[in-house]
Amino acid sequence: QSALTQPRSVSGSPGQSVTISCTGTSDDVGGYHYVSWFQQHPGRAPKLIIYDVNKRPSGVPDRFSGSKSGNTASLTISGLQAEDESDYYCCSYAGGYTRLFGGGTKLTVL
Amino acid sequence: EEQLVESGGGLVQPGGSLRLSCAASGFTFSHYWMSWVRQAPGKGLEWMGVITPDGTETYYVDSVKGRFTISRDNAKNSLYLQVNTLRAEDTALYYCARDAGWVLNYWGQGVLVTVSS
Repeated sequence: QSALTQPRSVSGSPGQSVTISCTGTSDDVGGYHYVSWFQQHPGRAPKLIIYDVNKRPSGVPDRFSGSKSGNTASLTISGLQAEDESDYYCCSYAGGYTRLFGGGTKLTVL
Repeated sequence: EEQLVESGGGLVQPGGSLRLSCAASGFTFSHYWMSWVRQAPGKGLEWMGVITPDGTETYYVDSVKGRFTISRDNAKNSLYLQVNTLRAEDTALYYCARDAGWVLNYWGQGVLVTVSS
C-alpha cells in the first residue's frame, strides 16, 4: 500500500494553468473511477475540490478540473489566483474498502 | 450544517493508549461510512481506516491493523478511534471524515496526538 505519487511542488503565475499529476497502479487509480482531490491550506483541514475523477462539489470554482488516463489522475487549475497557493492531495479507492492518498503537492503562485 | 468535532488527543508515552472521539451533527450520522485520516507534522495525509454505517465492519490500512480500532455509537452520533501501543511515529493530527461513496466529503478540524516520553 504505497502512497500515490505526486510531484512535490509545482508553480505558476497568476492567470496561468497548472496541472498536478497523481500516479498509482491498476489496483487503485487505474482500477476505479474514485479519485478525489483535496486542497489544504496551512493549519486547516483538507477541503474536497474534486471527486469521482472529474466532479466538483457545490461551491468549488470551475477553474478546478480533474481527469484520468490509465493509472494517472490529474488536477488542473486554470486562471491561477493567489488564493490557490496551497497543498493538494489526491486520494483513490484502492479496493478492499481501503483508500490511498498521494504524498501531496505544494502549489506556489509566483 | 454538517459538523465533525474531534476530541481526546494529548501527550502520551510510548506504549500507551488513547481513545479519540468524533462528534457528528447536521446530518444523519447512522447513514454514513466514517473514516479516520492522520497527518504527521509537516507530512502528508494517511488514511487509517473506515467503519460501516451500522458499525459491524471495519477496514484498516495494514500499518495499524491490530493496534487501532474504529467503533461508533449511532445513538450518540459519535465515532471513536482506540489507539494502542503507541509509537513516536504515531504522532499526528487525527481527522475524522464522513465517507460517502468513496468520497471523504466532510472533515473535522483534527485532534493532535503526541507520543513522547
